[in-house]
Amino acid sequence: NAGVMQNPRHLVRRRGQEARLRCSPMKGHSHVYWYRQLPEEGLKFMVYLQKENIIDESGMPKERFSAEFPKEGPSILRIQQVVRGDSAAYFCASSPLAGSTTDTQYFGPGTRLTVL
Amino acid sequence: TQLLEQSPQFLSIQEGENLTVYCNSSSVFSSLQWYRQEPGEGPVLLVTVVTGGEVKKLKRLTFQFGDARKDSSLHITAAQTGDTGLYLCAGAGIRNGGYQKVTFGTGTKLQVIP
Repeated sequence: NAGVMQNPRHLVRRRGQEARLRCSPMKGHSHVYWYRQLPEEGLKFMVYLQKENIIDESGMPKERFSAEFPKEGPSILRIQQVVRGDSAAYFCASSPLAGSTTDTQYFGPGTRLTVL
Repeated sequence: TQLLEQSPQFLSIQEGENLTVYCNSSSVFSSLQWYRQEPGEGPVLLVTVVTGGEVKKLKRLTFQFGDARKDSSLHITAAQTGDTGLYLCAGAGIRNGGYQKVTFGTGTKLQVIP
């Protein structure tokens, strides 16, 4: 049973380019969460999605960032016109349920974005 | 905004020593989770505690949830080099949307020296 998959693992972009990060949740999971992590720091919540719906995007910058989780295919985190401050590790997590006190989020290996 | 402060931020100890990591907040959480993250990887869940005062043991690791469900501690007995990593606590709360939003702590970087 494959875990959460993210690709690419490493992504290098120049300022002004677009970055697309993909996340395939665990089989049977319909809830996806995106987090950002700076070096030596904890994870910052960005957005929570269910299939075809954004449930909570309170942690995502209003400009240049967008996320989707289509009916078919992986979840995509898209960053337009990247700046150096976007350099970070981006993690995706998935869960089978939502609203359960003991529900577990399973994390992928992350995508490390470097903006030159 | 719910904040979780972890202490210490960095810890370097000799193999065989004991250590305790703390996770504190002014907010109440419905559950609290501990993760360990190794360089270049995603966090891996170690344990979830739900009930105030709850104590869970995982081999040499002992986790405790505060009575008021605002704080937690992780105690490692006889540390091994394999325990090296970034330890993250995460508090889960139920929002109006009915899902488990997780707030991560600031992290404790542990280095166990052979």
